[in-house]
Amino acid sequence: AQSVTQLGSHVSVSEGALVLLRCNYSSSVPPYLFWYVQYPNQGLQLLLKYTSAATLVKGINGFEAEFKKSETSFHLTKPSAHMSDAAEYFCAVTTSQTGANNLFFGTGTRLTVIP
Amino acid sequence: DTAVSQTPKYLVTQMGNDKSIKCEQNLGHDTMYWYKQDSKKFLKIMFSYNNKELIINETVPNRFSPKSPDKAHLNLHINSLELGDSAVYFCASSQVVSLSEQYFGPGTRLTVT
Repeated sequence: AQSVTQLGSHVSVSEGALVLLRCNYSSSVPPYLFWYVQYPNQGLQLLLKYTSAATLVKGINGFEAEFKKSETSFHLTKPSAHMSDAAEYFCAVTTSQTGANNLFFGTGTRLTVIP
Repeated sequence: DTAVSQTPKYLVTQMGNDKSIKCEQNLGHDTMYWYKQDSKKFLKIMFSYNNKELIINETVPNRFSPKSPDKAHLNLHINSLELGDSAVYFCASSQVVSLSEQYFGPGTRLTVT
């Protein structure tokens, strides 16, 4: 079985400050990890994914995440927050490489950006 | 030219009723999914389906059933609705290739009174 834990259901940062959203995974086999973003009243959009090719993954909108096996972590970062980054962020894991990739999501972290 | 669309966007109904939510994707994807997002924003996979197999999350009550008339559609039927079914339901689709991105619809907010 696999799962992810997102530490902090709500994170607030000032505009221009570093964004750090935490995600730890649990998996008995090599995991594949994702970060999705959900803007208010919208569906989810993929930010980035780790598929074992490189441990540092760059995504859209200036976000990146680093896979650290020793820490079982996949934290999401952005050097400088923008007002438009305010949204709900979900970390997700799958161990299925073929067929239907059933994603198991964390409980989400709401990011607030303070002007 | 919405990639994944769902209808209706909002659905309010009474306990005991039967309802359906429709999902359509125009991306040519092979696999479609239904997720449930509860009031605490927790997202849980309900079903995944392609033309070869239906995978059901064992925790989903059999009152819920997906029906796929063709590759582009995966509708969700819910019988005997209960208060606990109130949630936002998301449809998604992807290619049946290694770790392809899932594209999500805008969601359907179901309220059972």
